[in-house]
Parts: sequence; structure tokens; C-alpha cells
Amino acid sequence: LAKTTQPISMDSYEGQEVNITCSHNNIATNDYITWYQQFPSQGPRFIIQGYKTKVTNEVASLFIPADRKSSTLSLPRVSLSDTAVYYCLVGDIGYGQNFVFGPGTRLSVLP
Amino acid sequence: GAVVSQHPSWVICKSGTSVKIECRSLDFQATTMFWYRQFPKQSLMLMATSNEGSKATYEQGVEKDKFLINHASLTLSTLTVTSAHPEDSSFYICSASRGEGRTEAFFGQGTRLTVV
Repeated sequence: LAKTTQPISMDSYEGQEVNITCSHNNIATNDYITWYQQFPSQGPRFIIQGYKTKVTNEVASLFIPADRKSSTLSLPRVSLSDTAVYYCLVGDIGYGQNFVFGPGTRLSVLP
Repeated sequence: GAVVSQHPSWVICKSGTSVKIECRSLDFQATTMFWYRQFPKQSLMLMATSNEGSKATYEQGVEKDKFLINHASLTLSTLTVTSAHPEDSSFYICSASRGEGRTEAFFGQGTRLTVV
């Protein structure tokens, strides 16, 4: 399973765009990149998933360069409620692989 | 869609007793379910992977006789913590995947276990 590296923590202010980059140098051909958000005492919530290029949904965008060795989660105009831990996972659970969580990025949004 | 529900949300039990946690996929069939444990301020630690109708695969260091996992149907998996001790107190989280090439996993809300 590909190992991921993310910043341990980030601070931002309300209304700003936040970009969290994840490195996954050993990503395999079949691996997808998935981001989750977790609030204290809750299970992780799926944010976005991609394989290559750019994916956008109603809450975030995911940018993946051509070599797929990294990815960037972009949160537009964050609010206080976006304060959480964000996890980047790489794998192919559709075929039996499990999801192994790294330490994640603790995002603090300040007023 | 893709809702995973855990029950109970929290439980307090006495040392030496057993506790069962249920994980249900409410609107999809979960070929594979995962069980995690999370200590305060730490990341999720995978305990085991279970596929419907077969024995669970446990991660190294996780005692299979202590953490019994049953995945009897495509919508239900259970984790039983047997002979619980205070050090088993933790936040337990399940997730479910539809498998068959579907790449997302969806998580339950977690169960806070406190052993006194």
C-alpha cells in the first residue's frame, strides 16, 4: 500500500482558500486517491476521490498531477466549521485492499 | 445514499464483560467492512477487514480471540470486545465498501467504549 505524507497541521482564516497537499510517491496503477474529513468523536466523512487530473464536487476540488505522486485537496472559502482533521488515503479498496490512515492534517480555521 | 450506521454510539461496561458493536450499511450491500480503533488525538488504526460470509482478516497485533468479528450478511457486521479491560477503552469505527470495483468506503459515526 502506498504511504502518504501530509502536513501535520495548518491554520487558515475564514473565507480563505485552503490547499492541503499529500505526497504518495509509491502510488500503484490501480490506486485511487481519497480524502476524508473527521470531526472529534465522529467517523470520517468522505469528501472527494480521484484518479487523475482534476475532480470537483460541491465541497472541494482535488488536483492530481500527471505523475500522480501527489495530490492537493482544495477547500474554497473555508468557514469555522471546516476545522477538522483531513486524511489522504491511497488504495484500491474495490478489490480487497484496506484503507490505512496516516496521521492526517489538522486544519484550524480562525475567525 | 451510502449510509453506515453504528450502534451503540457509546457504551460503558464493567471489566471482564463483553460488548457487541453493530455496523450496518443502510442503503447498500457491503461486500467488505473494516473495523478501526482510534485513541484520543491519534489517527485511525485498522483492526481487521471482514468479507461477507468469510472469516475476518486481522492486522498484526490485534487479538482475534478478543475482538470477535462477524460479517454474517451484506448489511451487518459486528465487533464483540470480549473480557473487556480498561485499556480497551477507545473509539471504535466501522466502514463499509460495496466492493466489485467500487472504490469508496463509508464510515459509521463511531462507538465510544469506556471500560470501568
